[in-house]
Amino acid sequence: GAGVSQSPSNKVTEKGKDVELRCDPISGHTALYWYRQSLGQGLEFLIYFQGNSAPDKSGLPSDRFSAERTGGSVSTLTIQRTQQEDSAVYLCASSLVGTGGDNEQFFGPGTRLTVL
Amino acid sequence: AQSVTQLGSHVSVSEGALVLLRCNYSSSVPPYLFWYVQYPNQGLQLLLKYTSAATLVKGINGFEAEFKKSETSFHLTKPSAHMSDAAEYFCAVSTGFQKLVFGTGTRLLVSP
Repeated sequence: GAGVSQSPSNKVTEKGKDVELRCDPISGHTALYWYRQSLGQGLEFLIYFQGNSAPDKSGLPSDRFSAERTGGSVSTLTIQRTQQEDSAVYLCASSLVGTGGDNEQFFGPGTRLTVL
Repeated sequence: AQSVTQLGSHVSVSEGALVLLRCNYSSSVPPYLFWYVQYPNQGLQLLLKYTSAATLVKGINGFEAEFKKSETSFHLTKPSAHMSDAAEYFCAVSTGFQKLVFGTGTRLLVSP
């Protein structure tokens, strides 16, 4: 079956522009996660959705970052007024909701964002 | 708060040699532990996970890991390295609140 897909695969933007990154989770997965992978910071959690709600958004680095999920499926991560330090690979993952946090997260290929 | 430490940002082995990638965790509650592999320009793929059912966990591609509570470790091993094992490996911990906390990763280099 289809895995997690993300678009675009690469995005180059100018400092100060807004960008939208999209994630299509595996069908039937109710949980969705965004992570950021950068050279200086490694893999960082950004936000977690359960259905359309985000019970944990503790990893969003600033109020320039926001995310939404509609229909319990597609999610969009928006970065406003991009800065050079936002350059990173943004990874999306989805999972079935298991008990106790042992459910496997399936990752997409990521969106490589470059802010000039 | 939970955390993970991976010793060695790079590990080099010869093809056919033992692979040992180290992971130590810190958690105030019984953890769930994971090893993920990332090939170039790809996302993360789960190798194996520990969820308290058994301390020795077998995963895909011949990898296994042993949970040692006394040492707070979850080291990844493979008896014989293959060229296709060259990738970056991440250890991660979760305490049931859904998000994964990752280590900094170890790049495995395999030489012929």
